Amino acid sequence: QSVLTQPPSASGTPGQRVTISCSGSSSNIAKNNVYWYQQLPGTAPKLLIQKNDQRPSGVPDRISGSKSGTSASLAIGGLRSEDEADYYCAAWDDSLSGPVFGGGTKLTVL
Amino acid sequence: QVHLEESGGGVVQPGGSLRLSCTASGFIFRRHGMHWVRQAPGKGLEWVAFIKYDGSIKYYADSVKGRFTVSRDDSENALYLQMNSLRTEDTAVYYCAKDYGVFGTGGAFLDYWGQGTLVIVSS
Repeated sequence: QSVLTQPPSASGTPGQRVTISCSGSSSNIAKNNVYWYQQLPGTAPKLLIQKNDQRPSGVPDRISGSKSGTSASLAIGGLRSEDEADYYCAAWDDSLSGPVFGGGTKLTVL
Repeated sequence: QVHLEESGGGVVQPGGSLRLSCTASGFIFRRHGMHWVRQAPGKGLEWVAFIKYDGSIKYYADSVKGRFTVSRDDSENALYLQMNSLRTEDTAVYYCAKDYGVFGTGGAFLDYWGQGTLVIVSS
């Protein structure tokens, strides 16, 4: 069982906006930055959102992140077929002295 | 351009050992901490180990503590993971990943990942 909790699946139609949640605790999300990683089928994870809400170079502005208290969320607007992937949230955990990941959310574009 | 390439995966029997390597290029290796993250077949990501830029601090997941050892050779721009007393549940793709921080002490900011190497523990 993962330290951070994500819904196992999410879906939407092209053009829609989808939100993926990530729930943590006082030892991780509440005190530390949240990161989101995208894993396309058969490939390595790629950094999608850094420090809660910042987009690395090359990530489109239809993708956004936010954090409040012990939770964070990833929003993908203008959904496209190439967004079909697994999405993971992550944060440093002060109690475990290491980064912790969510269980991952499989996004399906219908 | 940052590039990370893992090697050393393969099939090993339970109780056996394996040493993974990760060669890095495109950044000043000695200034960055490095992570190992694994992914069991069909499962999510699990952080395994972190080594600080100077090797002075090493962190491990509870699931591998006492069995795995992370190390680095800055002269070779290489990261290693020595895996002993392997169990079937260690079967996974193992990724090395660069920590973003310069002279940092670790975090969840993994800005570049390798393509991974598959380890299968089976009799």
